[in-house]
Amino acid sequence: EPEVTQTPSHQVTQMGQEVILRCVPISNHLYFYWYRQILGQKVEFLVSFYNNEISEKSEIFDDQFSVERPDGSNFTLKIRSTKLEDSAMYFCASSEGGSGGFQETQYFGPGTRLLVL
Amino acid sequence: AQKITQTQPGMFVQEKEAVTLDCTYDTSDPSYGLFWYKQPSSGEMIFLIYQGSYDQQNATEGRYSLNFQKARKSANLVISASQLGDSAMYFCAMREGWRSNYQLIWGAGTKLIIKP
Repeated sequence: EPEVTQTPSHQVTQMGQEVILRCVPISNHLYFYWYRQILGQKVEFLVSFYNNEISEKSEIFDDQFSVERPDGSNFTLKIRSTKLEDSAMYFCASSEGGSGGFQETQYFGPGTRLLVL
Repeated sequence: AQKITQTQPGMFVQEKEAVTLDCTYDTSDPSYGLFWYKQPSSGEMIFLIYQGSYDQQNATEGRYSLNFQKARKSANLVISASQLGDSAMYFCAMREGWRSNYQLIWGAGTKLIIKP
């Protein structure tokens, strides 16, 4: 069964460093998303992406964050200068982008656990 | 105001019993979808079941069913014949609006522990 994959599974970085989190969405899906979950807290939406453009972004997704689809399979989240409060689990998700509308299911990857020291 | 409310932070249930996890939502949009995800201790987010605002019948997927009460704005997850492997965090989430790429809005989750 097709699945979303994410690398790395864990990343430890120093405050102020840049990190790139990588995702491979399900191959025929057109919509891609990043969410994050700070330990013990709710899942929070960061950004959605379609047709090489950001569709929607939250207040969390400030200038420190960027997303890119560098080739036909990868979808990346870059945090330019990490802060302590960026420590969280980061989830990539994808959905078909067909005619399902609000019924479309988002399928999640296993997450990248980011720790900023 | 909270869009998704899960009032049970934690639940203990005996193995093989049925369990109901509560979820209430708040939206003025007539088009919305409600989703339940399971997050085991390993951290991944697993899609369980979906209910659309226009669906006339409650959704079912194997041992999972959704008790959808539209007038009360509730979408409770029912797990029948619980198993030890059901121990996990369970999240209710909603997408508002007709477009398929709108964000999911999440509840705080319920930690379910199945006792042998």
